Amino acid sequence: DVKVTQSSRYLVKRTGEKVFLECVQDMDHENMFWYRQDPGLGLRLIYFSYDVKMKEKGDIPEGYSVSREKKERFSLILESASTNQTSMYLCASSSPALGYRNTIYFGEGSWLTVV
Amino acid sequence: AQTVTQSQPEMSVQEAETVTLSCTYDTSESDYYLFWYKQPPSRQMILVIRQEAYKQQNATENRFSVNFQKAAKSFSLKISDSQLGDAAMYFCASPKGSQGNLIFGKGTKLSVKP
Repeated sequence: DVKVTQSSRYLVKRTGEKVFLECVQDMDHENMFWYRQDPGLGLRLIYFSYDVKMKEKGDIPEGYSVSREKKERFSLILESASTNQTSMYLCASSSPALGYRNTIYFGEGSWLTVV
Repeated sequence: AQTVTQSQPEMSVQEAETVTLSCTYDTSESDYYLFWYKQPPSRQMILVIRQEAYKQQNATENRFSVNFQKAAKSFSLKISDSQLGDAAMYFCASPKGSQGNLIFGKGTKLSVKP
C-alpha cells in the first residue's frame, strides 16, 4: 500500500513564526501535492511538484513556499505564519506513469493553528 | 474554468438504506478518470471508486457504484446498504491539466442514522 506520512498531526504556532510541514511518500511517486482544506471550501491546491526541484503554483500559493530536494520528500513552508493560515493541510502523491488513472494518495493531514 | 460541483453540502441516510451523492464537473480533457474520495472523521482521505470516462459501463466497488452520464458531465455516487462506517465527507474529483492534478468539489457530509 502507498504510504504518505506527514510529520506532525497537530501544531500550534505563533503569528510571524516560520513553519515547516514535512511529507514523505514511500512509493517513488513523481508527483507530490500540498492542499489546504477548510470547511465549506473543500480542498484547494497550494503547490505541486512533478519532479525533484520542480514546483508549480496551485490555486492559493500566496504566503507559502515549497521545497523538494529528494523525490520522496515534499515540504511546505510558511515563511511568516498568520492567523488566516490556520487550517488542515493535506499532502498527497501520485504517479503520472499511470496516465489518467492517476490516483492521488493522501497523508493523514496536519492541523495547524496559528495564534 | 474547470469546476467540480457538489450541490449537497449535507446528506443523511438511514442505516441499510441507499443514498446518492451528486456531482457535476466540467473538464476540457478528452480522456480522463473521475474519482470519489471519502474522508472519515479521522481525516485520512481514501479513494472510494474511480470511473474511466471512455467506458460506458458504470464502475462498481462492493456497495459503492457510480452513475456516470458523460454528455451531462454528471458523476453521482450511490451507496447501497449504508453502514455506520460510511459516515464521512465525500469528495468528487476530476482531472485538471495533464500533469496528474485533480480538482475537487467542496464535499458532501454524509450522516448515517442507526
